[in-house]
Amino acid sequence: GIQVEQSPPDLILQEGANSTLRCNFSDSVNNLQWFHQNPWGQLINLFYIPSGTKQNGRLSATTVATERYSLLYISSSQTTDSGVYFCAAGSYNTDKLIFGTGTRLQVFP
Amino acid sequence: EAGVTQFPSHSVIEKGQTVTLRCDPISGHDNLYWYRRVMGKEIKFLLHFVKESKQDESGMPNNRFLAERTGGTYSTLKVQPAELEDSGVYFCASSQARFEAFFGQGTRLTVV
Repeated sequence: GIQVEQSPPDLILQEGANSTLRCNFSDSVNNLQWFHQNPWGQLINLFYIPSGTKQNGRLSATTVATERYSLLYISSSQTTDSGVYFCAAGSYNTDKLIFGTGTRLQVFP
Repeated sequence: EAGVTQFPSHSVIEKGQTVTLRCDPISGHDNLYWYRRVMGKEIKFLLHFVKESKQDESGMPNNRFLAERTGGTYSTLKVQPAELEDSGVYFCASSQARFEAFFGQGTRLTVV
């Protein structure tokens, strides 16, 4: 089945810095989602982006499906951005999402 | 519009007891999924309902886990008897067709 890898595993930033999180997947996908798990454990939908580029405020994401990777950009980071960011991919022959191991982001004031 | 709702938010039970988790999907979503994250590992798929039918239950760890979806609406996940390794966070998600999945807040299960 499809495999999903995220990098880096940990990221420590000072408030105001920018960051790029990467997600590599091993097969063609028809679903690619980015989530933020907040300190209370909730999975918050950030982007549904099987291909192309989307932006939402300080966050943006790009998926290059032909090269099997997706990037999540966080600009002008804030302490509330802290938490774990997950990438999850779904392939054409299954409806389930395969999650990466996440990137733990800590933003300090 | 209400999101995916899970009950309870936390549950602490003793080894050998039974626990039932409930998930109410977004209204109109035929697809309902259960996932879990145990021991700080990655989030893993458990099973998928389309309406009231089990489409894929390949991720169910063993026969101590039983999932049902009554009338294609809410779903329950029962663990009987619970073991220590079942501790973790259980997530429910729903989607329309095969598109974006929306997750509930999760149920944190602790087996002692």
